[in-house]
Amino acid sequence: GAVVSQHPSRVICKSGTSVKIECRSLDFQATTMFWYRQFPKQSLMLMATSNEGSKATYEQGVEKDKFLINHASLTLSTLTVTSAHPEDSSFYICSATTQGLKDYNEQFFGPGTRLTVL
Amino acid sequence: TQLLEQSPQFLSIQEGENLTVYCNSSSVFSSLQWYRQEPGEGPVLLVTVVTGGEVKKLKRLTFQFGDARKDSSLHITAAQPGDTGLYLCAGGRDAGNMLTFGGGTRLMVKP
Repeated sequence: GAVVSQHPSRVICKSGTSVKIECRSLDFQATTMFWYRQFPKQSLMLMATSNEGSKATYEQGVEKDKFLINHASLTLSTLTVTSAHPEDSSFYICSATTQGLKDYNEQFFGPGTRLTVL
Repeated sequence: TQLLEQSPQFLSIQEGENLTVYCNSSSVFSSLQWYRQEPGEGPVLLVTVVTGGEVKKLKRLTFQFGDARKDSSLHITAAQPGDTGLYLCAGGRDAGNMLTFGGGTRLMVKP
């Protein structure tokens, strides 16, 4: 149980285009989803927290107009990188959690999406 | 400034050796998770500890949560090449579901 999928796993795009990444919880309802960014050989950096049906909360320094997050249902959140540039190239990972099952903060991660902007 | 300091950052050892990874903070956490991540994949949860002084074992891996719930350690006995990866500790607080991640420890076990 607690499986999270991401699509696509890899994407290469031209500078200036927009890219949408999907994050799905396959066997549970995710009350909260998180979006992280990871640079090579570094730890995860939280970008934003997304709750179903409400606006995402962005971490300091993350442009909300650049990284659009939609959490339309309890099993799906999307991250759209708008007008992507080469410096947006990174590994994007989502995670999902659900309240009620456990008392502590446990997140289940997707397999990540490798974005390369040419 | 990292709220969770992991050490060492890098570790390269021979197969069969033992090692310990530390995760330290000045803050108290309600829970502490350890994840392992392989290149090009998402982190995979290894264990969650929630009680001060708690010790959990997962085959050759032993996890300990400090009495004050500010620190944790991961000890691997007789490391194998399959243990190679990025180990991440992450602390949770009572408010909300957010996790604070440590900087990670990159482990390489040579055959």
